[in-house]
Amino acid sequence: DADVTQTPRNRITKTGKRIMLECSQTKGHDRMYWYRQDPGLGLRLIYYSFDVKDINKGEISDGYSVSRQAQAKFSLSLESAIPNQTALYFCATSDPKTGGAYNEQFFGPGTRLTVL
Amino acid sequence: ELKVEQNPLFLSMQEGKNYTIYCNYSTTSDRLYWYRQDPGKSLESLFVLLSNGAVKQEGRLMASLDTKARLSTLHITAAVHDLSATYFCAVDFMDSNYQLIWGAGTKLIIKP
Repeated sequence: DADVTQTPRNRITKTGKRIMLECSQTKGHDRMYWYRQDPGLGLRLIYYSFDVKDINKGEISDGYSVSRQAQAKFSLSLESAIPNQTALYFCATSDPKTGGAYNEQFFGPGTRLTVL
Repeated sequence: ELKVEQNPLFLSMQEGKNYTIYCNYSTTSDRLYWYRQDPGKSLESLFVLLSNGAVKQEGRLMASLDTKARLSTLHITAAVHDLSATYFCAVDFMDSNYQLIWGAGTKLIIKP
């Protein structure tokens, strides 16, 4: 089955550490997204990428960076983690060309990150 | 400002009852999405609504879109416990560079 996977699924780290969250997809989609979810705040977009050479900041990019290594891979880094980055992180993909002329997004299982 | 508002944000209801979740948005769009999220899990796409008057149904859930009123509804008929989840709507605005703008979610609890 074409899928979106995230690693790790859970991570506990300490303040100041560098963390990388990875996302891979076999859907063949061009567009990839990183979201953060905090209780009661819904989803907030961190970064998005429309192809390997096109990366854009979202609503809350400060403190985060990304790398689109290939069409299928999109990584999110926290250069120096802080406790208020404790959250559930989701990767998503979409592709209007293959999914029709719309932007339905397909989500990975999420990474639960705790920064102590 | 591009905004999507859902109400209610929390809903507790009895099995067998009907209820509606509302999703309002701030400016013109004819593309709206509904997702379901179980606690601690990922988001699952439920419905994609692509035109004024669009109606989609799956089991006890029915979604509709009124682009003139900038309103979508998610109607639950004869609720069952398995429908307990958080439901999100998201809108695709031209001005948003094709990002989805998300509502805050409606947490639905269905009691036996």
